[in-house]
Amino acid sequence: GAGVSQSPSNKVTEKGKDVELRCDPISGHTALYWYRQRLGQGLEFLIYFQGNSAPDKSGLPSDRFSAERTGESVSTLTIQRTQQEDSAVYLCASSQGNLGGTQYFGPGTRLTVL
Amino acid sequence: KNEVEQSPQNLTAQEGEFITINCSYSVGISALHWLQQHPGGGIVSLFMLSSGKKKHGRLIATINIQEKHSSLHITASHPRDSAVYICAVVQGGSQGNLIFGKGTKLSVKP
Repeated sequence: GAGVSQSPSNKVTEKGKDVELRCDPISGHTALYWYRQRLGQGLEFLIYFQGNSAPDKSGLPSDRFSAERTGESVSTLTIQRTQQEDSAVYLCASSQGNLGGTQYFGPGTRLTVL
Repeated sequence: KNEVEQSPQNLTAQEGEFITINCSYSVGISALHWLQQHPGGGIVSLFMLSSGKKKHGRLIATINIQEKHSSLHITASHPRDSAVYICAVVQGGSQGNLIFGKGTKLSVKP
């Protein structure tokens, strides 16, 4: 496909469980970003990957959140011991890596923690 | 105070009207993005600019770096323009991650 894809599109989980969200960026895009949007709120930056450099984790809200990226391909965002306040849409975006370059967003994963 | 402020928060217009959405920011930036979020949640990048003005179809984006202000204009608005428009900036010296405004919800009535 030509765009950024994310899976699952929806995830419902119980408080305390771990969840894993997946992002497939556009082929050739070296930069990958994770954002989240809680209900009724604006988008927030979580983490940024650029090639093989150390990721920028400055937006992660707690140590329950982590993310990995294999080379310049798939990324997974893991939330451990989920809490109700983690309920949000988690969005992934990729770009060609130029600072400030156009970012292409995936459709998001809607996470609901009961 | 948020680093990126948008106004208005909500905007209702009649089809055909000229629309302006404003964005002010308080940090030094390397670039500013305008994004469109459809009711289904999908986000589309409209513009990325660091100076001057860009035009795409009925959409025009301008930025004034000295005044730390950007505007998004829609000419001859149409109901299909109804969406949330989000201003986001790349802070100078950052890796490109975006700082977002809260968005402007636009509704264009036929």
